[in-house]
Amino acid sequence: ETGVTQTPRHLVMGMTNKKSLKCEQHLGHNAMYWYKQSAKKPLELMFVYNFKEQTENNSVPSRFSPECPNSSHLFLHLHTLQPEDSALYLCASSKTSSTLETQYFGPGTRLLVL
Amino acid sequence: AQKVTQAQTEISVVEKEDVTLDCVYETRDTTYYLFWYKQPPSGELVFLIRRNSFDEQNEISGRYSWNFQKSTSSFNFTITASQVVDSAVYFCALPKRDSNYQLIWGAGTKLIIKP
Repeated sequence: ETGVTQTPRHLVMGMTNKKSLKCEQHLGHNAMYWYKQSAKKPLELMFVYNFKEQTENNSVPSRFSPECPNSSHLFLHLHTLQPEDSALYLCASSKTSSTLETQYFGPGTRLLVL
Repeated sequence: AQKVTQAQTEISVVEKEDVTLDCVYETRDTTYYLFWYKQPPSGELVFLIRRNSFDEQNEISGRYSWNFQKSTSSFNFTITASQVVDSAVYFCALPKRDSNYQLIWGAGTKLIIKP
C-alpha cells in the first residue's frame, strides 16, 4: 500500500443518512488534512490535524465531524448533509502541518447528496 | 492581498505540441514558496514542484519545465512534446501569509491533449 488512500471512492447518501469517509496515509507523516473540491470553486481547506490534534477548523458546519485516532488515519463523519455538500472530498498528508511542506493527496471520495 | 491567478480555464492542443500553463501570483512577502499540482481524471492531486522564491533558476524535469519570474510574479509551467497522459487539471498554489496550514489555490487550468 502506498501513499494516501481513501474509501469509499464514491458515495451517494440521502440528507438524513450518516456516513463516514476514511483516509489512511502510509508515508509516516504527522499532519493530515481534509479538503472539499466543488465544481468551479477553489480547493477549500476544511480541517487540519497535527500529531492527532485538530489545529484548524476552517469554519466548517457541524454536520461534518472529523476524527483522527492516530497519525495514519483520518475520518470525516457526515450527518444530515445538504445537496450543496455534494463535492469531491480530498484527504492529504504532510510531514508536519506547515504550508512549506509538500502535501500528498489521496484520490478523493466523490460524494453526492440527494 | 494574496492571490493566485490561472487565467487559462481550458487549453486544448494536439499531442506532441508544446504547451505553457500560466500562473500569476500576488504577495507582499519577500520570501515564499510556490507549488504546482496535477489532478488527473482519477481525482488525486499529484505534487509536481515546490519552488522557493530565492531560487529564480528555471527548473527542468524531463518534459516538464518551470519558468519563475519574480519581476512579473509569474511561475509558468511548460510541457514539451505533450502526451495524452498529460491531460489533467493543473493547479498553482501559494502559502497563505499568517497561516501554518492554508494554501491559496488557483482556479486550475484544464489541459486536454488530443491524439
